Amino acid sequence: GAGVSQSPSNKVTEKGKDVELRCDPISGHTALYWYRQSLGQGLEFLIYFQGNSAPDKSGLPSDRFSAERTGGSVSTLTIQRTQQEDSAVYLCASNGGAGPYEQYFGPGTRLTVT
Amino acid sequence: EDQVTQSPEALRLQEGESSSLNCSYTVSGLRGLFWYRQDPGKGPEFLFTLYSAGEEKEKERLKATLTKKESFLHITAPKPEDSATYLCAVPSRGGFQKLVFGTGTRLLVSP
Repeated sequence: GAGVSQSPSNKVTEKGKDVELRCDPISGHTALYWYRQSLGQGLEFLIYFQGNSAPDKSGLPSDRFSAERTGGSVSTLTIQRTQQEDSAVYLCASNGGAGPYEQYFGPGTRLTVT
Repeated sequence: EDQVTQSPEALRLQEGESSSLNCSYTVSGLRGLFWYRQDPGKGPEFLFTLYSAGEEKEKERLKATLTKKESFLHITAPKPEDSATYLCAVPSRGGFQKLVFGTGTRLLVSP
């Protein structure tokens, strides 16, 4: 079946502009996650959505970052007033339960802030 | 602080030369350890979940094992197509849905 999809695959933006990154999880998966992967760094947790519960935003690095999930499916990660240090690969993952289950990742969006 | 450390950072093997990758962690009360494979330009691909010390999982040329402090990913008679970055992750003590990842081991298998 279809896996996690993300768009765009690449995004180049100027410093100070806002960007929106989209994630479409695996159908039926109730949990959705956003991570950031910077060059030479491990994946960094950003935010987690589980069903209709309030999201866990504890990993968002600043108030310029926000995310929403509409209808329990598609999610959008928004970065306002982008900075050069925001350049990274943003990965989305999903899974089907509330336990410590394996997460299935999308291909990522490579964001470059010039 | 939850930490996951992987070694070596990079490993070069000849085709057929077996070896092991290490993942050590500091999270207490482990609630699972996950291994992923990541190819350049792609998202991580799930390989294994291990839940308790002594557990082993196998898939083709890969075998993952778990002790109370670390996990090993053994690669037997690797092929060039096994070249990738291998990541391990554990659930954070702050919420088991937050995975804490190591920085990975870059494996290159030469023909």
